[in-house]
Amino acid sequence: SQQGEEDPQALSIQEGENATMNCSYKTSINNLQWYRQNSGRGLVHLILIRSNEREKHSGRLRVTLDTSKKSSSLLITASRAADTASYFCATDAAGNQFYFGTGTSLTVIP
Amino acid sequence: DAGVTQSPTHLIKTRGQQVTLRCSPISGHKSVSWYQQVLGQGPQFIFQYYEKEERGRGNFPDRFSARQFPNYSSELNVNALLLGDSALYLCASSLFRGRGFTEAFFGQGTRLTVV
Repeated sequence: SQQGEEDPQALSIQEGENATMNCSYKTSINNLQWYRQNSGRGLVHLILIRSNEREKHSGRLRVTLDTSKKSSSLLITASRAADTASYFCATDAAGNQFYFGTGTSLTVIP
Repeated sequence: DAGVTQSPTHLIKTRGQQVTLRCSPISGHKSVSWYQQVLGQGPQFIFQYYEKEERGRGNFPDRFSARQFPNYSSELNVNALLLGDSALYLCASSLFRGRGFTEAFFGQGTRLTVV
C-alpha cells in the first residue's frame, strides 16, 4: 500500500506559471524526497528534506515540510515545457526503504 | 561515473515462468533497493539490501526473492509469474553516511510484460 498521497492527481499550467503539488503521509519519517518521472522511465531525484528541516531550495524548486501535519509541498517556479512529468514524494521511515505516493501528473503548456 | 544500470530494459515472459532482473549500483553505493511500479501507480517497495544482507522487505509474496553480491550488484527473482506481475521494476542505490542513507538514485528500470 502507498504511504503517501499527492494532491492534485493532475495539474495543467501555462509555461512561466508556478506549479504547486502537495504530499501527505501517515507515519513518522526520517526524511522526505521528491522525484520526477518522465514517460514511465526511471525516477530522477529532485530534492531531499530531513525531518528536522522546514524548507529547502534547489534552483527553481522549493520544498516545505510540516511534520506536525505530516505534509510536504513542492513548488516549481517559472515552469517550462520540459517540466512536464509525474512527480512523486517518497518518505523514508525505516532507513532507506521508501514509500511513494500515487504521484501528480504535471503538464506545462508552451 | 555511471549511474545505476539495470538489465534487461524490456522483457516478455509467459505466465508460470521465472525471471531474473539485474542491477548494478553506483560505484561506492552499498545499499540496493527494488521497487515495482504498476502502470498509473507509484513505485512499491519490494526489498532493500545493505552490505549483502536483507534489511527490509515489502508486502510481496514469497515468489519474489533477491540477493546482493560481494560487488554490491543485485538480482531480483520472480517465480511462477502472474499477469499481475507485469510492471516496471526499478532498482535504486544509495550511500550510507554517519547520519544515515543519502538520497536514492534510480536506474531506468526493466519493463516486464507477462503474457
